[in-house]
Amino acid sequence: GQNIDQPTEMTATEGAIVQINCTYQTSGFNGLFWYQQHAGEAPTFLSYNVLDGLEEKGRFSSFLSRSKGYSYLLLKELQMKDSASYLCAVSDSNYQLIWGAGTKLIIKP
Amino acid sequence: DAMVIQNPRYQVTQFGKPVTLSCSQTLNHNVMYWYQQKSSQAPKLLFHYYDKDFNNEADTPDNFQSRRPNTSFCFLDIRSPGLGDAAMYLCATSGQLGSSDTIYFGEGSWLTVV
Repeated sequence: GQNIDQPTEMTATEGAIVQINCTYQTSGFNGLFWYQQHAGEAPTFLSYNVLDGLEEKGRFSSFLSRSKGYSYLLLKELQMKDSASYLCAVSDSNYQLIWGAGTKLIIKP
Repeated sequence: DAMVIQNPRYQVTQFGKPVTLSCSQTLNHNVMYWYQQKSSQAPKLLFHYYDKDFNNEADTPDNFQSRRPNTSFCFLDIRSPGLGDAAMYLCATSGQLGSSDTIYFGEGSWLTVV
């Protein structure tokens, strides 16, 4: 079956750095997405990786290793507004998005 | 400005009473999706339209139906809501299916069944 694994919850301190990991097993691979979802709101797009390596976008970076079925989202200089759930999703061989359950990130002052 | 608009944002319905959720988009996207998301769970795809072609997920109950009268609008009909159907329903759009095309979500419609 197809599976996306992420930690359920993480806690970090304002101003620090946090890495949220995602491992996947899917039938085929056509890219990996990271979405941010604040409580009670819709997911918003953060990043897309289809080739191995690191993609940097401001305070957020996303890394992909296709051979390991692994990605991480790196958040730097954490702010209180970064408290949210972070969803990893993989596009499989049929271009269907397989979603992880999300990682709830709690930022403490 | 919101590009994917869902109405209503909050809906309370009685057990078994039909309910319709609506979605409109200003992006002129070919693909429209309906997802169901329960607390602390991944969004679950119910169905999607590619233009007028309707694609139902295999495990979507018959209780859920959809209509897309034109490019801009899509509706989710729940014929006989049960307590287990209480969730947030997300409408989303994309230009094409798959590849790197970003999916744009509406703000969601919260459904409560009493």
